Amino acid sequence: AQSVTQPDIHITVSEGASLELRCNYSYGATPYLFWYVQSPGQGLQLLLKYFSGDTLVQGIKGFEAEFKRSQSSFNLRKPSVHWSDAAEYFCAVGTMEYGNKLVFGAGTILRVKS
Amino acid sequence: ETGVTQSPTHLIKTRGQQVTLRCSSQSGHNTVSWYQQALGQGPQFIFQYYREEENGRGNFPPRFSGLQFPNYSSELNVNALELDDSALYLCASSRVAGENNEQYFGPGTRLTVT
Repeated sequence: AQSVTQPDIHITVSEGASLELRCNYSYGATPYLFWYVQSPGQGLQLLLKYFSGDTLVQGIKGFEAEFKRSQSSFNLRKPSVHWSDAAEYFCAVGTMEYGNKLVFGAGTILRVKS
Repeated sequence: ETGVTQSPTHLIKTRGQQVTLRCSSQSGHNTVSWYQQALGQGPQFIFQYYREEENGRGNFPPRFSGLQFPNYSSELNVNALELDDSALYLCASSRVAGENNEQYFGPGTRLTVT
């Protein structure tokens, strides 16, 4: 069965500092990986996705993520965090199988201090 | 292009009652998935509908049911509400084809059961 682990419940970074949010997945086949962001009271917005090909993927708002098969990881990074990045971030794994569904991690809450 | 919309935004129900939540898919999408997001957790897959048929179901009891209509709008029905059903309910639409299978989420319906 698929599963996603986000080890950090909360992370606090200073504005302008770099950011890395960790994500580990468990899935027997080639995973399809996603990062979503959720602001308070809002739905989920897709930041980036990995389906195949280049293991370093670029997303919106200056985010990138790197797929490492050997480590079963898909960590999200941003070189310089802005106060508006404060939100909750979810990593998810999906499949292209019948009944395509996303399995989400528990999320990481990012706080940005000025 | 119209995004995914959901109604109502907020809802308060009493334990034992029934509730219907509605979702309008993004234009051109024929698949809709529903997720439950309890407070402090990641979204959990309830079920998916493709061309008006259920196309996969998560670990939710039968009192959670759904419908998809010819115009690809959708309903989530929950009977015999329990306190633990209090959550944010998200719907997501997608195309079922190839790699472009990312899911676009609506803003959610916040259900409170008292």
